[in-house]
Amino acid sequence: SAVISQKPSRDICQRGTSLTIQCQVDSQVTMMFWYRQQPGQSLTLIATANQGSEATYESGFVIDKFPISRPNLTFSTLTVSNMSPEDSSIYLCSAPVGDSQETQYFGPGTRLLVL
Amino acid sequence: GDSVTQMEGPVTLSEEAFLTINCTYTATGYPSLFWYVQYPGEGLQLLLKATKADDKGSNKGFEATYRKETTSFHLEKGSVQVSDSAVYFCASFSGGAQKLVFGQGTRLTINP
Repeated sequence: SAVISQKPSRDICQRGTSLTIQCQVDSQVTMMFWYRQQPGQSLTLIATANQGSEATYESGFVIDKFPISRPNLTFSTLTVSNMSPEDSSIYLCSAPVGDSQETQYFGPGTRLLVL
Repeated sequence: GDSVTQMEGPVTLSEEAFLTINCTYTATGYPSLFWYVQYPGEGLQLLLKATKADDKGSNKGFEATYRKETTSFHLEKGSVQVSDSAVYFCASFSGGAQKLVFGQGTRLTINP
């Protein structure tokens, strides 16, 4: 299985500020995914990040609020902009690694609390 | 669109009890199916998967069989342990959706 790391593991932020979350995969992958998990809830896909192209956002998520970078095949960042308490969630990145593009492995998540 | 429905939680069992967590799906075509587990304070770990009808995924004593006729992928374990306490997510991936679709998650607590 792949090793996917995220930084920071957790943070407490003030409303109105922005936080950039990093995701590193230990092998090259075409697609990376960013999810939000609100407290006690399931995972919701924010966007798909392909290297060399603009990220594709799901309904309800916009680039101005969640800008994503994908500078190479092993790394991506998600920024949560102009944060409010409603952004308090776990943010997870994932990537399909190996022969199957369907089987995704997840990072450990970034636990964000916005005050 | 594609969707996954899991049995309502939370589920509380005694150690060594038999576990079933129900999962059904709707999808275009024949999706691949997955169970992920999230231990307290951690990210998601892939528990098992099945990619076609009648396939059985298994890992750590857990099993799930891909049932096309009932569009189900129920998770089972014959004898649960306290260390199995976690949240379990069923998910599907279809060629139509081109993304993982998750169920709502089922919180499992095992008492000694």
